[in-house]
Amino acid sequence: TQLLEQSPQFLSIQEGENLTVYCNSSSVFSSLQWYRQEPGEGPVLLVTVVTGGEVKKLKRLTFQFGDARKDSSLHITAAQPGDTGLYLCAGARDSNYQLIWGAGTKLIIKP
Amino acid sequence: DAGVIQSPRHEVTEMGQEVTLRCKPISGHDYLFWYRQTMMRGLELLIYFNNNVPIDDSGMPEDRFSAKMPNASFSTLKIQPSEPRDSAVYFCASSFRFTGQGGEQFFGPGTRLTVL
Repeated sequence: TQLLEQSPQFLSIQEGENLTVYCNSSSVFSSLQWYRQEPGEGPVLLVTVVTGGEVKKLKRLTFQFGDARKDSSLHITAAQPGDTGLYLCAGARDSNYQLIWGAGTKLIIKP
Repeated sequence: DAGVIQSPRHEVTEMGQEVTLRCKPISGHDYLFWYRQTMMRGLELLIYFNNNVPIDDSGMPEDRFSAKMPNASFSTLKIQPSEPRDSAVYFCASSFRFTGQGGEQFFGPGTRLTVL
């Protein structure tokens, strides 16, 4: 059972375009993290969102946590080839040390 | 700090052989996680430790898999005997804060295991 659904699974766009990646669940999370993974490396944390409705910006990346803390989105403005990678969302619950991982969105930005 | 260190980076072995993967977490981190990543199943948690004690090993696929953490700076994941379906990238990650409170997990570079 996939508790965190990510969409799309794969996205290939031209440099300069905007895109949004979604992470959805029927479960409530105490916090949600977004990681980026490049080939041959482990995932690296981009951001953690904790409060329902929270919006965080990291340069051209905007992260939002849903009001009910069941979903999240990542929006990239004017994508660049350096944004290429696998984007993973992961939800955390207060009662459990484990992170619940999404399957990932493979993003390719073509120059 | 050098980050989480894993060895070897690549391992190719034949079916039936024993495989040992090694991990050195970041100093001061008291949580250690072993993950497996494949195209089909994504990132799967195998086991995690807190203060060197295994807390949850429900993700360990079979008795062929075992993990130890003899001290705060070293952990191993052993597969004996290995099978071709064990081929995957194995990651070790460490954290110094409770994940439920938004604690960041720091990942190593992974070990790419190929079982022929």
